[in-house]
Parts: sequence; C-alpha cells; structure tokens
Amino acid sequence: DAMVIQNPRYQVTQFGKPVTLSCSQTLNHNVMYWYQQKSSQAPKLLFHYYDKDFNNEADTPDNFQSRRPNTSFCFLDIRSPGLGDAAMYLCATRAAFPNNSPLHFGNGTRLTVT
Amino acid sequence: AQSVAQPEDQVNVAEGNPLTVKCTYSVSGNPYLFWYVQYPNRGLQFLLKYITGDNLVKGSYGFEAEFNKSQTSFHLKKPSALVSDSALYFCAVREGTGGFKTIFGAGTRLFVKA
Repeated sequence: DAMVIQNPRYQVTQFGKPVTLSCSQTLNHNVMYWYQQKSSQAPKLLFHYYDKDFNNEADTPDNFQSRRPNTSFCFLDIRSPGLGDAAMYLCATRAAFPNNSPLHFGNGTRLTVT
Repeated sequence: AQSVAQPEDQVNVAEGNPLTVKCTYSVSGNPYLFWYVQYPNRGLQFLLKYITGDNLVKGSYGFEAEFNKSQTSFHLKKPSALVSDSALYFCAVREGTGGFKTIFGAGTRLFVKA
C-alpha cells in the first residue's frame, strides 16, 4: 500500500543533542510537510517543500532545519533540542494538483527531550 | 490569512444519536475545507473535503459535512454515532488560490458513550 512512513516512532534525545527525524513516502507526491503537534493541540506547520522548493514558516525557530534529498525522503533536523521541543512530529504529503487534494500523514515521531 | 475555529473542546454523545462537530473558517477567495480524525498516537486521517457546489459532502465511515457559505461554516455530522467514533477531530482550511499551506483548528474531542 502506498503510504507515508516515519521513523522512528519514538525518539529520546538529550537537551542540546542534535536529532534527525525521517519521513519517506511511496505516493510520489511533490509536496511534503513537517508539522509539530503538542498535547493533542492543532498541528503547527513548520515548513513544506514543493519539489525542491523549500518554504519556511515565519515563526519556525532557526533550531529546526529540513532536507529533502529526493521526492521520496524528507528529514527534520533539530540542531539543539530544548525541553520545549518535546512533541509529536508529523510528516504529511499531498499531490500538488488538484488544489483540493488532501494531506496524507505518517503516524508521527514522538520526541522526548531529557 | 486563513484561519479556522472549532468552538467546542469536547463533544459528548450517546451511541446511536446524531453528532455534530462545529467548524467555522476565514479565508480569502474560495475555501478548500477538510476534516481529519486522529486516534491516540497516530497521524491524522483524511475524512472528507468540501467540493465546490455541494452543500452536503459525504466522506469516510458514514461522516458527512454541511457547508454554509453565509455562515462560513463546515460542520461535521453523522446520523448515528458509534463508540468507535471516539477520537480527536480537526477541521482544516487551505486558501483556494493555489496555496500550499493547510491550517488546522484546535481540535474537538468526541466521546461516544455506549
């Protein structure tokens, strides 16, 4: 089945220790997103890619970076995690067209910062 | 800028009764509106989307949504609730001008009591 896969499901890192979360997709969608979700709140958009074009939300901290080496893979790098970065990180994809195409989400990576 | 509001943190309903989860939106141009459901420790799953011209949209698992342009609302409904419908529901909006940004409401937790 075509899907969005996030690894790992659970990640524990230490305060200040860099961590990378990964996302892969078999849907061949050109748009990929990273969302942060805290405590069953609304997912908050961090950034998105349209193909190789990267779009950073204005309020996404500089501590968060992303890479998309090819259509299938996207990575979220947190350079110096703080306690406030503990959250569920959700990757999502969608086809660029039609414009009302829905998002397809992975099951998320729950990040704990100790 | 687009925004979406879900006025109820929680909705309680008895199994077999109809349910409504409310959503209002603000967006320039024609709206692209969506409902997603989230189960514990999972990503969001797409339920349904607004189709231009259809005031009542049918989606997955017997859910439907009623679009009202004058009230800028897109309420989620189901004629007969199941205990298994208990989950977190998110309304989402995307600007209809070809934008890529999807914004989520704060979420409504639905409890269906047997």
